[in-house]
Amino acid sequence: EAGVTQFPSHSVIEKGQTVTLRCDPISGHDNLYWYRRVMGKEIKFLLHFVKESKQDESGMPNNRFLAERTGGTYSTLKVQPAELEDSGVYFCASSRQAGLAFWEQYFGPGTRLTVT
Amino acid sequence: AQKVTQAQTEISVVEKEDVTLDCVYETRDTTYYLFWYKQPPSGELVFLIRRNSFDEQNEISGRYSWNFQKSTSSFNFTITASQVVDSAVYFCALRGPYSGAGSYQLTFGKGTKLSVIP
Repeated sequence: EAGVTQFPSHSVIEKGQTVTLRCDPISGHDNLYWYRRVMGKEIKFLLHFVKESKQDESGMPNNRFLAERTGGTYSTLKVQPAELEDSGVYFCASSRQAGLAFWEQYFGPGTRLTVT
Repeated sequence: AQKVTQAQTEISVVEKEDVTLDCVYETRDTTYYLFWYKQPPSGELVFLIRRNSFDEQNEISGRYSWNFQKSTSSFNFTITASQVVDSAVYFCALRGPYSGAGSYQLTFGKGTKLSVIP
């Protein structure tokens, strides 16, 4: 079974540009999460999809961030326009439908975003 | 509010030494789950263990062991006879807050970078 994949692994952009990050969850996982780690800080929750629906967006920093999950498969996270403070590692995670035995979140390798 | 504190930012040990990574948590929930994840140089977060608040037994898995103490709100992780391959960033996490549809966010600590020197 393939794990969570993320693309690109690293992106360097200038302030004001747009970047789109992609996450492919484990096949069959309805839940998809985005997290972010700013250097030296905690990994922080951004948002949670259940299939194609946004279940919880409480962690999204501002309206420059737009996440989508069309068709309930892969997800994209777009930052437009990027600011310096958006630099960090963006992690995606997925889990099966909620249930005691299956709700571990499996994480991808992350996308390192550098805004210069 | 939930919080996870990993006070050790970086630890260096010589191979074969034992090392303990500390994790202190705060939660108002009576039922909760704690986790440890490992982030090797390749970048992905690898799930190591889940522990629920009902079960205070310590767990051992090979060279890894976990000491859960509700009285001190701690969930410490010990690596016995460390190896170079153990070099990684280790994150402690707490389930929650609730994010809907039966699922929860994870609240992470800042991580501890472990370097095992040959």
